[in-house]
Amino acid sequence: DGGITQSPKYLFRKEGQNVTLSCEQNLNHDAMYWYRQDPGQGLRLIYYSQIVNDFQKGDIAEGYSVSREKKESFPLTVTSAQKNPTAFYLCASSKSEMYGYTFGSGTRLTVV
Amino acid sequence: QKEVEQNSGPLSVPEGAIASLNCTYSDRVSQSFFWYRQYSGKSPELIMSIYSNGDKEDGRFTAQLNKASQYVSLLIRDSQPSDSATYLCAPSRAGGFKTIFGAGTRLFVKA
Repeated sequence: DGGITQSPKYLFRKEGQNVTLSCEQNLNHDAMYWYRQDPGQGLRLIYYSQIVNDFQKGDIAEGYSVSREKKESFPLTVTSAQKNPTAFYLCASSKSEMYGYTFGSGTRLTVV
Repeated sequence: QKEVEQNSGPLSVPEGAIASLNCTYSDRVSQSFFWYRQYSGKSPELIMSIYSNGDKEDGRFTAQLNKASQYVSLLIRDSQPSDSATYLCAPSRAGGFKTIFGAGTRLFVKA
């Protein structure tokens, strides 16, 4: 079955530590996205990528970094510069803006 | 003004009733409109898309779009307790590969 796989489901980060969230899709979608969701709030765009080796900052990119070396993969690194990283992180992909998004199951990140 | 406005709710309806969820958006060049359902603690799931003015029906769901009024809605007929979730409205601008999400309306269907 085609879909998006995010791992891990839960992640704990210590102060000053970088962590990487994995996102893999086998839908052959060109575009991939990272969103952050805080309790009771909407989705905020961190980064997006329309093609391999190219990505753009979203609305809240500070303290985050991404890479897109393969069409299937779009990992997100939460760096120590992100001062309030505790949130639910969602990866999504789309064939184009006409088709809507398919989301992964999310990674819940907590700072300890 | 927020780019996408939704009543946060909760909207409470009895089982079997019609639930009406509303959304207004500010970007006049939005061309594609999506509704996502998000259960508590889960990721969003696409349930409806609409691209032209008027109504689009899919099972118990009807999406309505009025571009002149910058308004899109979702009707859920014969509401079931399993419909209890947060519904996200998401307009998309053509050519931008970028969708704006509303904060969502919480729906509670009472058995």
